Amino acid sequence: ILNVEQSPQSLHVQEGDSTNFTCSFPSSNFYALHWYRWETAKSPEALFVMTLNGDEKKKGRISATLNTKEGYSYLYIKGSQPEDSATYLCASNSNSGYALNFGKGTSLLVTP
Amino acid sequence: GAGVSQTPSNKVTEKGKYVELRCDPISGHTALYWYRQSLGQGPEFLIYFQGTGAADDSGLPNDRFFAVRPEGSVSTLKIQRTERGDSAVYLCASSYSGANVLTFGAGSRLTVL
Repeated sequence: ILNVEQSPQSLHVQEGDSTNFTCSFPSSNFYALHWYRWETAKSPEALFVMTLNGDEKKKGRISATLNTKEGYSYLYIKGSQPEDSATYLCASNSNSGYALNFGKGTSLLVTP
Repeated sequence: GAGVSQTPSNKVTEKGKYVELRCDPISGHTALYWYRQSLGQGPEFLIYFQGTGAADDSGLPNDRFFAVRPEGSVSTLKIQRTERGDSAVYLCASSYSGANVLTFGAGSRLTVL
């Protein structure tokens, strides 16, 4: 994998549903994996930064896992709420530089 | 400041004109990044500053694009002879150092007619 790829592109769930997204990234020379949430008309907001294989991080109802050997990360949202509606961006960088390489994002819509 | 500030929030210009976009990072953040998000795409890296110097400008698409950060704080992204394909949201982000989580501004939406 040369680029960061995210799936699905978009997702529509009902309030209370749990959901998850996938991020695939280049595993060679891996340095860090970032997740950001970008709500409409606001700034992208950092959720997690993970560096170690097997890392799991949690923030409220949102959690993420990291597999650096196979080059993927999952983001989980438990009991989705309408305020979770946003685009979720994944980005990685290698140990050769600090520039983050972003995926296209997963657009989540949670309806009551 | 409390957050990363970008001005203008919206800019509409005509093809061929010159545009400047400004970014005021969080005080004390030495690293500053410019990204560009075109419709349907993820943010695309343009340039990274560490202090006053451009540590990595490999993402600038061509020589019409230039960025400065003369005093290691505010940065200006300059676009000459704008083209319709330059239309995008230009995002600025800063961090304590190059390896940390980024704090983004709200972006400057550029529309070239």
